[in-house]
Amino acid sequence: AQTVTQSQPEMSVQEAETVTLSCTYDTSESDYYLFWYKQPPSRQMILVIRQEAYKQQNATENRFSVNFQKAAKSFSLKISDSQLGDAAMYFCAYRSAISGGSNYKLTFGKGTLLTVNP
Amino acid sequence: SQTIHQWPATLVQPVGSPLSLECTVEGTSNPNLYWYRQAAGRGLQLLFYSVGIGQISSEVPQNLSASRPQDRQFILSSKKLLLSDSGFYLCAWTPFGGREWAEQFFGPGTRLTVL
Repeated sequence: AQTVTQSQPEMSVQEAETVTLSCTYDTSESDYYLFWYKQPPSRQMILVIRQEAYKQQNATENRFSVNFQKAAKSFSLKISDSQLGDAAMYFCAYRSAISGGSNYKLTFGKGTLLTVNP
Repeated sequence: SQTIHQWPATLVQPVGSPLSLECTVEGTSNPNLYWYRQAAGRGLQLLFYSVGIGQISSEVPQNLSASRPQDRQFILSSKKLLLSDSGFYLCAWTPFGGREWAEQFFGPGTRLTVL
């Protein structure tokens, strides 16, 4: 079974600065997806960024980028120019690329609570 | 465009009472549907998933059950609630098949408090 570990329960960053959230995972599969979701105080889960394991290029979405190290099974999220609205719980998640049934489910880490200081 | 609804948004129930939470998806057909529980504001635990009408798979043995009476409707139920059932319940969906639709889309959630 796959596992996802987020070793930083809480992080803080100054507004306009850069912060990196860590995520490691364990899997025996070679093809899979990785995600970062954001959960603000409203508790709505919002997709931040996704990465396909077969792609070597790191995904980017505006101020959000990832450092995907497949051999090390590491998937960190970098937030540049942090804004007050970035304050939220961030979850790393894994999904198998194998089709069918339970393979579509997401396995989540326990989350990192990000505080942005003005 | 696709949207996902959950209701109620908030629920306070006594121990031993029944439960019914509903999730519906609009704008798509034959979605895969999921129920997650989030306890104490932390990680999400998958409870049930469904790949079609009447097809329910359980991930964790518990006091809850799920049903899918219609293609885009997913219901989470309990006959008798326990204190440990308190939490935030999230419904999610993915389009049927396709690598390009790997992520799950989440509903707004239901906050359940069992007293």
